[in-house]
Amino acid sequence: EDQVTQSPEALRLQEGESSSLNCSYTVSGLRGLFWYRQDPGKGPEFLFTLYSAGEEKEKERLKATLTKKESFLHITAPKPEDSATYLCAVNSPLDGGYNKLIFGAGTRLAVHP
Amino acid sequence: DGGITQSPKYLFRKEGQNVTLSCEQNLNHDAMYWYRQDPGQGLRLIYYSQIVNDFQKGDIAEGYSVSREKKESFPLTVTSAQKNPTAFYLCASGRQGANYGYTFGSGTRLTVV
Repeated sequence: EDQVTQSPEALRLQEGESSSLNCSYTVSGLRGLFWYRQDPGKGPEFLFTLYSAGEEKEKERLKATLTKKESFLHITAPKPEDSATYLCAVNSPLDGGYNKLIFGAGTRLAVHP
Repeated sequence: DGGITQSPKYLFRKEGQNVTLSCEQNLNHDAMYWYRQDPGQGLRLIYYSQIVNDFQKGDIAEGYSVSREKKESFPLTVTSAQKNPTAFYLCASGRQGANYGYTFGSGTRLTVV
């Protein structure tokens, strides 16, 4: 069964203190790994898609990397506005060429000035 | 601008009452999904639909029902058979193909009173 586990559950950083969030996955053939950002009371907002081991994507202070078993979301010199829950998900195929996303429980990031 | 609209933002249900959550998209996406989010848990799939007049149960469909009478709309009814309906409900849409993620709505928070 496809599964996604995120760690840590919660992370508190000082402004400027770089760190990484982990997403480990078990799938029968990766068809895409997704990172989303979710603010309290809102829907998830798409950040990155990674498809193959060794791939990297960057957006402002965020950088996502992928290996065969896990993905990391690196946050460089974070600011308070980076505070949010970060969700990781993997593609699981459905009939008809569509897919469903299987999500981890998320990492709650709090960045303090 | 294209997007997904969920309404209402907050909904209160009395014991034994059915309630319907609205989801409308103007992205011309074929597939639509309903997820439930509970604190400390990943998003869990309730129902999905790949084409009009067709829908399939997800992982936690008991106590829920849906319809897909037109491409743009995918309402979710939470019935009295759902014993623990208090949660954050998210609607999403996506395109055909294994490599695409979803676009999410802003969510509906349902509370039993």
